Amino acid sequence: RKEVEQDPGPFNVPEGATVAFNCTYSNSASQSFFWYRQDCRKEPKLLMSVYSSGNEDGRFTAQLNRASQYISLLIRDSKLSDSATYLCVVNELGSSASKIIFGSGTRLSIRP
Amino acid sequence: SAVISQKPSRDICQRGTSLTIQCQVDSQVTMMFWYRQQPGQSLTLIATANQGSEATYESGFVIDKFPISRPNLTFSTLTVSNMSPEDSSIYLCSAGQGGTEAFFGQGTRLTVV
Repeated sequence: RKEVEQDPGPFNVPEGATVAFNCTYSNSASQSFFWYRQDCRKEPKLLMSVYSSGNEDGRFTAQLNRASQYISLLIRDSKLSDSATYLCVVNELGSSASKIIFGSGTRLSIRP
Repeated sequence: SAVISQKPSRDICQRGTSLTIQCQVDSQVTMMFWYRQQPGQSLTLIATANQGSEATYESGFVIDKFPISRPNLTFSTLTVSNMSPEDSSIYLCSAGQGGTEAFFGQGTRLTVV
């Protein structure tokens, strides 16, 4: 089983739609969780951290369910500029230190 | 946040040669990582660069092929040794503090011919 699993997509949705991505992780000792965004031929950039209580940043809402080891990202009123690959990222405890593991990424394409 | 400078940004190398990629962080960080991203794929962790000791490699990656140095808390190098066309990829350096988000260099786009 992969350490971090995501639906690879692609998701192709019209502008203004709401889209949700899901992610599961295997290590229950994982410490912290993030969503990153990666544009074509660019390095990943932090989109938002994910907290147990859930958190919202404008049109983006992230949620964490530790019991189910599940993370989600919701994008409302999607814009053309939201087209990118979204990476679920987990900071987990390794044998000697924590390490940051990326999911395979979900491709999102917003059409006019 | 941390600003990471990675170089070279790209290179074209002959098979059988080696390339060393450098990563410089503008502040002291607890953790530094090296990732590989092949075309159309997500990031795969190669190893955690440990300051003053041997790197911790992930399954499928070995020190002889990817030697890593980390002499201090702001600098690390990754060498891709005895390169073959299968090593063509983007190599990314990442840095962060334990439990917080990671910051990335702009990557090194390697083509082996």
